[in-house]
Amino acid sequence: GENVEQHPSTLSVQEGDSAVIKCTYSDSASNYFPWYKQELGKRPQLIIDIRSNVGEKKDQRIAVTLNKTAKHFSLHITETQPEDSAVYFCAAANTNAGKSTFGDGTTLTVKP
Amino acid sequence: EAGVAQSPRYKIIEKRQSVAFWCNPISGHATLYWYQQILGQGPKLLIQFQNNGVVDDSQLPKDRFSAERLKGVDSTLKIQPAKLEDSAVYLCASSLRGANTGELFFGEGSRLTVL
Repeated sequence: GENVEQHPSTLSVQEGDSAVIKCTYSDSASNYFPWYKQELGKRPQLIIDIRSNVGEKKDQRIAVTLNKTAKHFSLHITETQPEDSAVYFCAAANTNAGKSTFGDGTTLTVKP
Repeated sequence: EAGVAQSPRYKIIEKRQSVAFWCNPISGHATLYWYQQILGQGPKLLIQFQNNGVVDDSQLPKDRFSAERLKGVDSTLKIQPAKLEDSAVYLCASSLRGANTGELFFGEGSRLTVL
């Protein structure tokens, strides 16, 4: 089955700095790579995603890059703000099978 | 649009007792998932339904966990008897698989503490 590894497990940055979170996956059949943000005590919510036919996607301050050959993808957050503090999960999914496998999460702390 | 509803939000039980969680997915979402999220870890899939049929229950501890999705809408997840290591948040999610989007919509979760 699919195996997703996520690094780092914790990340602390100063407000205004950039944050990068990296994930690797093992199953070449995975074709959809979402990132979820989970605030304390809340549900995970999709913030950005990328499909296997695209190398990069950007939405305001967040961007995701995908390297299919190396089987890794990354989340980039620029100009971080305190409200970006949360746990971020990457996932690798095979939409044909409807299966998603999650990384173990990165706790991002943005210090004012 | 109403989100995924789950209840109860919190449950505390003694080990060897039983517990049941309920989930109502977003209307029209054919695929429903139950995930277990242990503190400090990512969600781990327990079971996946497509309408009222089981697609994947390979990670479900079937000696103590059971789940059903009658009529292809609501679902219940039951644990009997509970063990200490079952303490976790149980997340229900649904997706519009027919559109092949892949996005999961999660409920708020049911936090279980086993003493």
